Amino acid sequence: DIQMTQSPSTLSASVGDRVTITCRANQSISTWLAWYQQKPGKAPKLLLYQASSLESGAPSRFSGSGSGTEFILTISSLQPDDFATYSCQQYYSFPLTFGGGTKVDIK
Amino acid sequence: EVQLLESGGGLVRPGGSLRLSCTASGFSFSGYAMSWVRQTPGKGLDWVASISASGDTTFYADSVKGRFTISRDNSERAVYLQVNSLRIEDTAIYYCAKVAWASGNFLDSWGQGSLVTVSS
Repeated sequence: DIQMTQSPSTLSASVGDRVTITCRANQSISTWLAWYQQKPGKAPKLLLYQASSLESGAPSRFSGSGSGTEFILTISSLQPDDFATYSCQQYYSFPLTFGGGTKVDIK
Repeated sequence: EVQLLESGGGLVRPGGSLRLSCTASGFSFSGYAMSWVRQTPGKGLDWVASISASGDTTFYADSVKGRFTISRDNSERAVYLQVNSLRIEDTAIYYCAKVAWASGNFLDSWGQGSLVTVSS
């Protein structure tokens, strides 16, 4: 199974900050990676797929980069609506696996 | 607008069974694979099972293989998860999710979730 590791697990930031979250795979997954945003009590919401493609309707302040084993989610200027938990998911192979999540909270 | 509505969750004793259902609307259901993903409250996401658009191919997490069965009825626009031999550690919110496209098993729409609690 492909293991996905996110860092940090928690991140404290202020509105307007540039935020980066890292997701690492324990083997190469090319760019078969998605990012999700989840708010408390709600279902996850797709943000990016294929490592860097923005899902329709997702704000352009979200961007993704990386390939192989290391990936980065960047929020260019954190907005109040962005305080949430972010998870990566590899879809290179079954079983599909998720990172443990990164909670972005208010500093 | 894509909508996925889960039902069938509840409180069940260890060793018990449930059938989770997910009804879909807003897209051509028979053209898309579907998945179930679960989440223990306060924890990360855990993929459970996936089924192809036609229903002839299924995949399972090792932790549920032999106990859970995913199925679908394209005429009813529904996907199901039969969960048997439930364990305490199966307690979670179970989400139904639509697979985005055939070449990429990422999940572009999710239901609101159905809580399964396994407790004696």
